[in-house]
Amino acid sequence: SQTIHQWPATLVQPVGSPLSLECTVEGTSNPNLYWYRQAAGRGLQLLFYSVGIGQISSEVPQNLSASRPQDRQFILSSKKLLLSDSGFYLCAWSRATSQETQYFGPGTRLLVL
Amino acid sequence: GESVGLHLPTLSVQEGDNSIINCAYSNSASDYFIWYKQESGKGPQFIIDIRSNMDKRQGQRVTVLLNKTVKHLSLQIAATQPGDSAVYFCAENRGGQNFVFGPGTRLSVLP
Repeated sequence: SQTIHQWPATLVQPVGSPLSLECTVEGTSNPNLYWYRQAAGRGLQLLFYSVGIGQISSEVPQNLSASRPQDRQFILSSKKLLLSDSGFYLCAWSRATSQETQYFGPGTRLLVL
Repeated sequence: GESVGLHLPTLSVQEGDNSIINCAYSNSASDYFIWYKQESGKGPQFIIDIRSNMDKRQGQRVTVLLNKTVKHLSLQIAATQPGDSAVYFCAENRGGQNFVFGPGTRLSVLP
């Protein structure tokens, strides 16, 4: 069966510091991978998605970037965090065909102070 | 836990009763829908999905109903249990991997 991992689970960072959140998927090959941000009282906002190694699509302009160095690894980064980057970040995967269910990881709660 | 949905609509039901959670979607071209359950501090968990060529689909204790005429989706949970307490949200797909997620409804199960 497939599993998706995210770490760290919780992170407190000062404004201006760098960020690296990691997501890995097990039990599947060539998945589509996604990074979402979830704000209180709002729906999930898609930040990035990837259909393959080195292929990143950005959905919203922001202070964040994503990379996919390996087939089942997806990384969310920032060079300098802003207060507004605080939130709950979710990684998800789906099979690489159209209209497939997205399965989410446990999430990372980021607090920027 | 994570403060997801601090100001979400809340549905309170007695343990053992049935729950109905509703979702209105916006795009008549959407043809694939998913319901997720999210417990505090955790990632969303897939519950059930339905495609637009169906109007009803049943799982274990859950039923999803789709009314394309009024663009409405509902999730019915039979014999609601304390473990069902969570935020439930729907997702609509308009093709490819482009999903739009609703903000959710908080289900509170009363003893």
